[in-house]
Amino acid sequence: SYELTQPPSVSVSPGQTARITCSGDALSKQYGYWYQQKTGQAPVLVMYKDSERPSGIPDRFSGSSSGNTASLTITGAQAEDEADYYCNSRDSSGNLYVFGTGTKVTVL
Amino acid sequence: EVQLVQSGAEVKKPGDSLKISCNGSGYSFTNNWIGWVRQMPGKGLEWMGIIYPGDSDTRYSPSFQGQVTISADNSISTAYLQWNSLKASDTAMYYCAREVVIGGSRGPFDYWGQGTLVTVSS
Repeated sequence: SYELTQPPSVSVSPGQTARITCSGDALSKQYGYWYQQKTGQAPVLVMYKDSERPSGIPDRFSGSSSGNTASLTITGAQAEDEADYYCNSRDSSGNLYVFGTGTKVTVL
Repeated sequence: EVQLVQSGAEVKKPGDSLKISCNGSGYSFTNNWIGWVRQMPGKGLEWMGIIYPGDSDTRYSPSFQGQVTISADNSISTAYLQWNSLKASDTAMYYCAREVVIGGSRGPFDYWGQGTLVTVSS
């Protein structure tokens, strides 16, 4: 079955830059989406169509995609950015979705 | 305002049946796909399946095909996730989420329910 692979954890100092990667074969054909999930809360969409930011999401969040890898970058990380982040895309058929394995971002 | 409101927490025994719900409001319910996502305790998000209420077209992740049933009742703008025989391994938080259409293309899940915690224990 289709898989999206993320690093388990990323640590960043306040004000520095964190980059989370997501690798999967279908990412060369399908858009990547990113969700932020804080403890005890439902996920929140922070990036869609690889690099589009929903309204209300701070501009320190940016996204990109190249080949089979999508990336989410937090430039100038803040304490409130500490959360789990999940990438998401469709499989190559476009009919099914899959979530990435998740990355815990720690700001310290 | 778009809202997805899910039914409350459930405590069940192995072998029990269960149907949880997700009520959509603030938009045309039949025009957007609704997906279901599982999150087991301390684990990541797993995409289970999706339904288009307009014509009940339903797709399942291979991991969940045959294990659950997704349905919708357009008369009350509600999507459902159903089990015929629960197992302890079904213990998890379950989220519904609306798939948005952006620029004529199906897009990400933009609105999420608050989650329904299902606990299966003897």
